[in-house]
Amino acid sequence: DSGVTQTPKHLITATGQRVTLRCSPRSGDLSVYWYQQSLDQGLQFLIQYYNGEERAKGNILERFSAQQFPDLHSELNLSSLELGDSALYFCASSVSDRTNYGYTFGSGTRLTVV
Amino acid sequence: QQPVQSPQAVILREGEDAVINCSSSKALYSVHWYRQKHGEAPVFLMILLKGGEQKGHDKISASFNEKKQQSSLYLTASQLSYSGTYFCGTNNNDMRFGAGTRLTVKP
Repeated sequence: DSGVTQTPKHLITATGQRVTLRCSPRSGDLSVYWYQQSLDQGLQFLIQYYNGEERAKGNILERFSAQQFPDLHSELNLSSLELGDSALYFCASSVSDRTNYGYTFGSGTRLTVV
Repeated sequence: QQPVQSPQAVILREGEDAVINCSSSKALYSVHWYRQKHGEAPVFLMILLKGGEQKGHDKISASFNEKKQQSSLYLTASQLSYSGTYFCGTNNNDMRFGAGTRLTVKP
C-alpha cells in the first residue's frame, strides 16, 4: 500500500457517459497530480493541485475537469466519454508543489469505455 | 516538453549492465526516475536535484548533467526483479515523463 488511495479500481461505462475518479493523497502530502496512461503508453500529465488550488495544467481535454477539496482528496471528472478515453488513470501525491520531492502513485483506476 | 528516453527497450541476461538515457530540450531543474512493473503503479526510485549530482542505492544509480540537459540511469549486475518500464520525469512545476524504456531481464 503506497498510501495513495484511488477508487474505483475498475470502471466500465458507455460512450457519452460521465464518471468521477477519486484520489486520497498520502498523509501529509499537499499536492495531487493526475496522469493518463493508455495501453502500453507513457504517462500523460493532466493536471496538478496544491492545497486546493490548481497549479499546473497539461494535456487535459475540455471534457475533463478536476478539483481538490479542503480535506485534500481530489476528484477527476470525465464527461461525454469516448472510446479513446479508455486508459489507466493514475493519481500521485507529493509533499511539495515543486518537483524536488518524489511522487507516490496510487494503484490507478482502469477505465473502459464501451 | 516531454523528455526523450533511449533506448525504447532493452533485453538483458541476469548479471549484465544497462544504461538508460533521458534528455530534454529545456533546462532541467530536477530529474526523477521511476520503475513500473506491468499492471502496477510507477514506483519512485530516485531524484536528482543538482547538475552533476549522482545518486544510487543497491546496484541502481543515476547521474545528472545539467549542462547537457541529460540524465542517465545505470543498472549494474541486473537482477530479474529489475524488469519493468523505467520512466524519467523532468521539469520545474509539473512533471513530464518520457515515453519509457522497457527493460527485460532474463535468467
